[in-house]
Amino acid sequence: SAVISQKPSRDICQRGTSLTIQCQVDSQVTMMFWYRQQPGQSLTLIATANQGSEATYESGFVIDKFPISRPNLTFSTLTVSNMSPEDSSIYLCSDMTVTGELFFGEGSRLTVL
Amino acid sequence: AQKVTQAQTEISVVEKEDVTLDCVYETRDTTYYLFWYKQPPSGELVFLIRRNSFDEQNEISGRYSWNFQKSTSSFNFTITASQVVDSAVYFCALSDLNDYKLSFGAGTTVTVRA
Repeated sequence: SAVISQKPSRDICQRGTSLTIQCQVDSQVTMMFWYRQQPGQSLTLIATANQGSEATYESGFVIDKFPISRPNLTFSTLTVSNMSPEDSSIYLCSDMTVTGELFFGEGSRLTVL
Repeated sequence: AQKVTQAQTEISVVEKEDVTLDCVYETRDTTYYLFWYKQPPSGELVFLIRRNSFDEQNEISGRYSWNFQKSTSSFNFTITASQVVDSAVYFCALSDLNDYKLSFGAGTTVTVRA
């Protein structure tokens, strides 16, 4: 399995600011995804991070609020822009291995005051 | 559209009891993947299993076993002789074979008491 590292693991942010979360995989993977887990809830897919092109967003998520980059096959970032308390969540990066398993990073726990 | 239902919100057992987690899914796809993940209190999501829709063999891994019944669209998970370390939220998820986007169930919180 590819080891996925996320930074930061947690942060406390002020309303109106933006935070960028980094996801690094230790080997080349075909697909990378970003999920959100709101407090006490299940996981929801934000977008598929496409290498070298714009991410593909799910319904309810837009690029202006959650810009995503994936400059190469092993690295992606998710920015949560103009944050509000409703953005307080765990944000998880996921990758798909060549054998089709889907693994997750340890998550970035974000609290917005 | 894909949908995963985990009807059990919480299960509490005493150590060494067996516990079975139910998962029922809906999909229009003829081929798909089913997954189970464990989320301990620390928050990370731990991959447990992936099952192809065309492989209905049951699987056992240590104290974990999975029962896949395509006829009833169910993919149930059993922990045998539960331990305190099994306390976690368990998620069942479904993806198609094209884009691998996961649709998650609501999760089942398992509490194992010593």
